[in-house]
Amino acid sequence: KAGVTQTPRYLIKTRGQQVTLSCSPISGHRSVSWYQQTPGQGLQFLFEYFSETQRNKGNFPGRFSGRQFSNSRSEMNVSTLELGDSALYLCASSYSTGFGETQYFGPGTRLLVL
Amino acid sequence: GQQVMQIPQYQHVQEGEDFTTYCNSSTTLSNIQWYKQRPGGHPVFLIQLVKSGEVKKQKRLTFQFGEAKKNSSLHITATQTTDVGTYFCAGGGSYGGSQGNLIFGKGTKLSVKP
Repeated sequence: KAGVTQTPRYLIKTRGQQVTLSCSPISGHRSVSWYQQTPGQGLQFLFEYFSETQRNKGNFPGRFSGRQFSNSRSEMNVSTLELGDSALYLCASSYSTGFGETQYFGPGTRLLVL
Repeated sequence: GQQVMQIPQYQHVQEGEDFTTYCNSSTTLSNIQWYKQRPGGHPVFLIQLVKSGEVKKQKRLTFQFGEAKKNSSLHITATQTTDVGTYFCAGGGSYGGSQGNLIFGKGTKLSVKP
């Protein structure tokens, strides 16, 4: 099976802009989670989608949003970018949702905000 | 809220030395998972432990889950340069939490001097 894919892999934006990142999960996986990874904060959970519904949400401002499509592909959007949003954004898929489902991570999108 | 603490944050070893990283949770976990992230890469699932007191081995890696299901350890025997990376533990927490279904530790970054 093909792994989790994320596009784009690298992105440079300026403050105030918005960005949309895309994630295609492993075939058959219905849950998609998004994480932000920075050197100082480690892996921080953004949100999880399952069957097009947001099931869990982390402690991030409303500028961070996401959605999931009927084919399980997911997008996340960050509006009004700030310098602190520079990070590696990881998408992970799992077969279902629930206690401690194993996460299969994509290669990530590295976002740099100038 | 639920937390998973991981120590040490960094570990530098000489090739051939052993390495151990420890995880402690503030609450009882449903399971514990371990992930490895190579430099420039993304987290890759290594193993899942579910039972109290469980011990699993993968070649030179030994994983343990504590009797109370609140702590875990990863031990690498005779490290090699290929072991370089950051090792994350992730605890299966309460479904619907603000940290998602998995609560990640901050990771232990292992460097190996040849």
